[in-house]
Amino acid sequence: QVNLLQSGAALVKPGASVKLSCKPSGYPFTDFYIHWVKQSHGKSLDWIGLIDPNSGSTNYNEKFKNKATLTVDRSTNTAYSELSRLTSEDSATYFCARWGVLRSGFAYWGQGTLVTVSS
Amino acid sequence: DIQMTQSPSSMSASLGDTVTITCLASQDIGKYLNWYQQIPGKSPKLMISGATDLADGVPSRFSGSRSGSDYSLTINSLGYDDEGIYHCHQYYEYPFTFGSGTKLAIE
Repeated sequence: QVNLLQSGAALVKPGASVKLSCKPSGYPFTDFYIHWVKQSHGKSLDWIGLIDPNSGSTNYNEKFKNKATLTVDRSTNTAYSELSRLTSEDSATYFCARWGVLRSGFAYWGQGTLVTVSS
Repeated sequence: DIQMTQSPSSMSASLGDTVTITCLASQDIGKYLNWYQQIPGKSPKLMISGATDLADGVPSRFSGSRSGSDYSLTINSLGYDDEGIYHCHQYYEYPFTFGSGTKLAIE
């Protein structure tokens, strides 16, 4: 079965960077885009962008273009989201997600990574 | 970007009640609208895709409808399991956008 395993919670200092990982299993890694979604204050969701694991090409939400960098490592079948110049506004839970096959929507989600920015 | 205006922001209802949550799209998105349920502490779960199609394993108590740019999620015969946050999501174009979420509490 499809599973997306994300890295554990991170506590980072303001101004620093953090690299979150997402390791899918249960399907060929290069067959589906990986999307990243931010959840602030435990409620609203924001789409950060997507990466095509096959080509490495990306599509960012303009809002996150100077904040997030999406990459993949095809040797380990892992997707990454690096967040830079962190501020308190970046404290949130970050999810990776994959589109469904029979249904058009995010049918598969990682468990989420809580990022806390604090000195 | 397409704005999704979701209402209400929060609501409470009783066991067995019927509730409706709505999303208004700022422009035409056709049928490209999904609904997700998020139980506290968990990841979102796809409930409705294509505005009206029930996702796999979702009880028929859930239904989605569309009237122009207005989209609704209706939940019949509310149970305690239905408590959580509900999100609408447009996938008509990038960037994908979500509504602000509706927190549903069961009394």
